[in-house]
Amino acid sequence: AQKITQTQPGMFVQEKEAVTLDCTYDTSDPSYGLFWYKQPSSGEMIFLIYQGSYDQQNATEGRYSLNFQKARKSANLVISASQLGDSAMYFCAMREDLTSYGKLTFGQGTILTVHP
Amino acid sequence: NAGVTQTPKFQVLKTGQSMTLQCAQDMNHNSMYWYRQDPGMGLRLIYYSASEGTTDKGEVPNGYNVSRLNKREFSLRLESAAPSQTSVYFCASSGVSRTGTYNEQFFGPGTRLTVL
Repeated sequence: AQKITQTQPGMFVQEKEAVTLDCTYDTSDPSYGLFWYKQPSSGEMIFLIYQGSYDQQNATEGRYSLNFQKARKSANLVISASQLGDSAMYFCAMREDLTSYGKLTFGQGTILTVHP
Repeated sequence: NAGVTQTPKFQVLKTGQSMTLQCAQDMNHNSMYWYRQDPGMGLRLIYYSASEGTTDKGEVPNGYNVSRLNKREFSLRLESAAPSQTSVYFCASSGVSRTGTYNEQFFGPGTRLTVL
């Protein structure tokens, strides 16, 4: 079974609007972390936001927020007020704390295109 | 601090040639990782090193070897390159985040490898 599933191969959004990128995960580890990374066309991996499994509140970082629904095992990324520079590939990843020595399992990614 | 550095940035090999990808981090992290990213896909773990002196296989280890030379350096070797190893290779290290509240993975810029 896939540990991280991103069901949207591509998403389009109008500049200045909000967009939600979906991520569901599967783990039996009670302690885990969820990460979102942005990969622009230049190729580097840019860390955006983190949510821990025990965190009481949804994580926020500037225009990025994470809609964490633990019972549904989903960790969707919300980008508010989209900008042209947000066009990129976005990856959801999970770290399972008891078994992984910090290593990450990645989803297949979602390509976001922001239209002017 | 340079963070995680990788050399080379680009490499073209012929089938059967060997090469070593170099990675170094200056953040005093214990854990280091090698991932590969194939077109349109997420990163997959090749090998990791939880601490100096230890290495373990990840999801896709076949055709690769690694060496944790010291705490700073973690190299990836292709003994006999195959076209299926054409990919982008990322090295990463894991350590405490800037906020100090969770473990974050820090990525190098990647090596784009083509095997003809």
